[in-house]
Amino acid sequence: DAGITQSPRYKITETGRQVTLMCHQTWSHSYMFWYRQDLGHGLRLIYYSAAADITDKGEVPDGYVVSRSKTENFPLTLESATRSQTSVYFCASSSSPTDTQYFGPGTRLTVL
Amino acid sequence: AQSVSQHNHHVILSEAASLELGCNYSYGGTVNLFWYVQYPGQHLQLLLKYFSGDPLVKGIKGFEAEFIKSKFSFNLRKPSVQWSDTAEYFCAVIFGSSNTGKLIFGQGTTLQVKP
Repeated sequence: DAGITQSPRYKITETGRQVTLMCHQTWSHSYMFWYRQDLGHGLRLIYYSAAADITDKGEVPDGYVVSRSKTENFPLTLESATRSQTSVYFCASSSSPTDTQYFGPGTRLTVL
Repeated sequence: AQSVSQHNHHVILSEAASLELGCNYSYGGTVNLFWYVQYPGQHLQLLLKYFSGDPLVKGIKGFEAEFIKSKFSFNLRKPSVQWSDTAEYFCAVIFGSSNTGKLIFGQGTTLQVKP
């Protein structure tokens, strides 16, 4: 019963490099979300997806790209990493738009 | 703009003290309300939620919250905290009849319980 997993758990990269963070859920939830957590800001929504091949921007989408070719996977790509993208990234999923979101363990990303 | 405010950023309590964490939101319409907890080094876990019905909601680990519509508030309470309650607490809201599931989070409150 894996639930929702994220990989890698920790990542250090350099400015300008492309980075992909993976998210996988085993519940067949339709909705998936990416958040970033920064001190003083709580969690902010980056992108969300209502189903495979349906994605939309959240509060802070600039510099990020998502895709969702399969229901269970929702990768987040930083096309050209910047230091301001140093953060902890959480993936979440839910069965409906108003229901409880279940969170993954997070990925701590450091951009040097 | 839709927003969620948590007024207590850092709370320090002794074991057995009572806890109340404030949460206010900016919108006057339909809301779905959540409290999540993040223990040190762990992911977010749901403490409790309110969608409709009895405005006093009971969650896990002895926590409860009260929805007061007139005050746009959803404060979290626990009558007697334990050292193991040391964590960060987040209030979160889905506004209106959202078909997107966009959760708006408060800034979080760090609770430190001294043994």
